[in-house]
Amino acid sequence: QVQLVQSGAEVKKPGASVKVSCKASQYTFTTYYVHWVRQAPGQGLEWMGIINPSVGSTTYALKFQGRVTMTRDTSTSTVYMELSSLRSEDTAVYYCARGSCSAGTCYSFDYWGQGTLVTVSS
Amino acid sequence: EVVLTQSPGTLSLSPGERATLSCRASQSVSSSYLAWYQQKPGQAPRLLIYGASSRATGIPDRFSGSGSGTDFTLTISRLEPEDFAVYYCQQYGNSFTFGPGTKVDIK
Repeated sequence: QVQLVQSGAEVKKPGASVKVSCKASQYTFTTYYVHWVRQAPGQGLEWMGIINPSVGSTTYALKFQGRVTMTRDTSTSTVYMELSSLRSEDTAVYYCARGSCSAGTCYSFDYWGQGTLVTVSS
Repeated sequence: EVVLTQSPGTLSLSPGERATLSCRASQSVSSSYLAWYQQKPGQAPRLLIYGASSRATGIPDRFSGSGSGTDFTLTISRLEPEDFAVYYCQQYGNSFTFGPGTKVDIK
C-alpha cells in the first residue's frame, strides 16, 4: 500500500536549520504532489507548502517564504523539507502528505507520513 | 486567506450517539473543496471526507459530510469507541487552510 516514511526526530538550537525527509513507496512518485504540514504541541494543523515531484516546482505559504525550501530526489522517491533560522515556535511535528493536482487545482491529502518531531531548544 | 471556524470545540458524547460537527468558512469555498480529517493522539491525520460529501477509501458509512458555500457539517451517525478523536476540516479551493479542530470525547 502507499507509504510515506519520514526521517527521525531532531533536536536543534535556535538559529540552526533542519532538513526532514519523506520517502514515498508503492505508487508512481512523479504523479502526485507532496505537501508539508506542521502541528505544534497541542495545536492544530498548519500548511507549509507543496512540491511537484515531477518538475520540482514549489509553492510556499506566505508565512514560511524565505525560510523553507522543499526539494526532491526522483532517484530515491524522496522529498525534503528544510526550515532555516529556527526558533522555539518552530517546535512541532512535521508531516508530509500526498495530494493530487490537475489543471491548476489541488485536492485533499489522501496519505500522510508518520510525522517527525522537531524540537528547537537552547 | 480563507479562515475556517469549527464548533463546538469539544463534543462529549456516549458510544452509539450521533455526532454533528460544524465547519464555517470566512468566504465561500470553491466547488465544495472541503475535506474532513480524523486525528487520534500520536497519529497522523486520516482523510475521511473530500469534496464536502464523498467518503475516502475505506471510510465506514456512518461518516457523512454535507454542506456548501460557507457552511459544512460532518455527521457520525452512531459513535463507535474508535471514533473518539479530534476532527479537522480543511478547505483546498483557495490555497490550503485547516480549522482549529473539534474534539469528540467520551461522556
